[in-house]
Amino acid sequence: NAGVTQTPKFRVLKTGQSMTLLCAQDMNHEYMYWYRQDPGMGLRLIHYSVGEGTTAKGEVPDGYNVSRLKKQNFLLGLESAAPSQTSVYFCASNRDRRILLTSTDTQYFGPGTRLTVL
Amino acid sequence: KQEVTQIPAALSVPEGENLVLNCSFTDSAIYNLQWFRQDPGKGLTSLLLIQSSQREQTSGRLNASLDKSSGRSTLYIAASQPGDSATYLCAVRRNRDDKIIFGKGTRLHILP
Repeated sequence: NAGVTQTPKFRVLKTGQSMTLLCAQDMNHEYMYWYRQDPGMGLRLIHYSVGEGTTAKGEVPDGYNVSRLKKQNFLLGLESAAPSQTSVYFCASNRDRRILLTSTDTQYFGPGTRLTVL
Repeated sequence: KQEVTQIPAALSVPEGENLVLNCSFTDSAIYNLQWFRQDPGKGLTSLLLIQSSQREQTSGRLNASLDKSSGRSTLYIAASQPGDSATYLCAVRRNRDDKIIFGKGTRLHILP
């Protein structure tokens, strides 16, 4: 059981370049989330998904797109990277509370991707 | 709009002391509240999760309480150790759309 994994761990981009961050989970979780973490700002939700084929906007969605074509994967895309998108990106997942009401529906996090945009 | 606030932003205490970290939220329509630990350069590890119908959860030296009506939660750490040094974050999961909103965290330093 690998839990939540993120690819890549580090990346440096030039302004205007594009890239895709991959998040994968092997816990059969319905919900998946993308956050960014910046100094003094805490974690802010970018986009999330409540199931395969669905996505929804979070607090800071501008400049990002996401896709959830398979239940186990959640992709975060940057079409034209900007220096303001320099951050650490975290992916997370948890079960659908409507399916299983339990105190163990905790949110599990990946190790993070450190992205620098020059 | 749900806002989550953690006070203090940073805390230093001598080893062995008991301490309390605070979390407050503005909208009481939550499904659950979760406390996390984050070590420098690392991801988040879940410590305790409290469902909205519960008042507290305990794990080892940690005890988390929830008062949903007043919009408050506390994380109590007993007999602190240098290994407890980390940033502690609380997060609430909203009822209406399952968004999870984080506080900015409390940076804890336990002095040996």
